[in-house]
Amino acid sequence: NAGVTQTPKFQVLKTGQSMTLQCAQDMNHEYMSWYRQDPGMGLRLIHYSVGAGITDQGEVPNGYNVSRSTTEDFPLRLLSAAPSQTSVYFCASSLTVLGTEAFFGQGTRLTVV
Amino acid sequence: AQSVTQLDSQVPVFEEAPVELRCNYSSSVSVYLFWYVQYPNQGLQLLLKYLSGSTLVESINGFEAEFNKSQTSFHLRKPSVHISDTAEYFCAVSILTGGGNKLTFGTGTQLKVEL
Repeated sequence: NAGVTQTPKFQVLKTGQSMTLQCAQDMNHEYMSWYRQDPGMGLRLIHYSVGAGITDQGEVPNGYNVSRSTTEDFPLRLLSAAPSQTSVYFCASSLTVLGTEAFFGQGTRLTVV
Repeated sequence: AQSVTQLDSQVPVFEEAPVELRCNYSSSVSVYLFWYVQYPNQGLQLLLKYLSGSTLVESINGFEAEFNKSQTSFHLRKPSVHISDTAEYFCAVSILTGGGNKLTFGTGTQLKVEL
C-alpha cells in the first residue's frame, strides 16, 4: 500500500516558469489537500478538494491552480513561479476532513531562482 | 475563524526528563484536535487525536494530550523523553466551516532531546 505519493521530491525553477507537482493516493480517500511549509509559519493550506470534481481555496491560493478529475490524483500547478513560492510542499489525503487521520506525502522541496 | 497557537517554537530538554508542548486553539464551535509529528525530511504523521469522550488521549509511544475546553488547550506531554523523540510537533484543529472543511495547523514546536 503506497499511501500518498508526491513527485518530484526536489525541483529548481526559474522565475516565470510553470510546473505541476503531482500527488496520488491509493486509499480511496475523498479529501485531498495541498500545504506549503515555511520556517516559523507551520503548514498553510493552499487548496483542497472534498471529492472528484470539487476544489476550493485555502489560506494561500494565489499563484496556484488545482483540479481533481479522479479520486486518486490531485495535481498542483504553479502558473508562473516566483521566488516567494520557494517552499516545501506537502500533499495530504484523508477519508474525510473531520476527525479522521490525514496521510501526508514525503514532500516536494521547490526552489525558485 | 479557527486558529491554532503553539507558543513555543523550540523546546530543548534532556533525555529522560518530562516535557510539555503547548497548544491553544480558538473556535466558537466544537472542534476536533490533533497532534502530528514530523521527523527530519519526512511528511507529517498522526501522533494522537481528540474527537469526543475522555479528555485524555494517549499515543502508542508514551505521549498524551489533554483536552481542556475551558482553557481551549490541547497540550502534549511525555513523562520521560528519548533521543528518538527529537522532531517537530504540530497541533492541528478541524472544524466544519460554512462552505468547506479545513484542517488548520499551528506553527510547530521543535523538540530537541539532548543527552
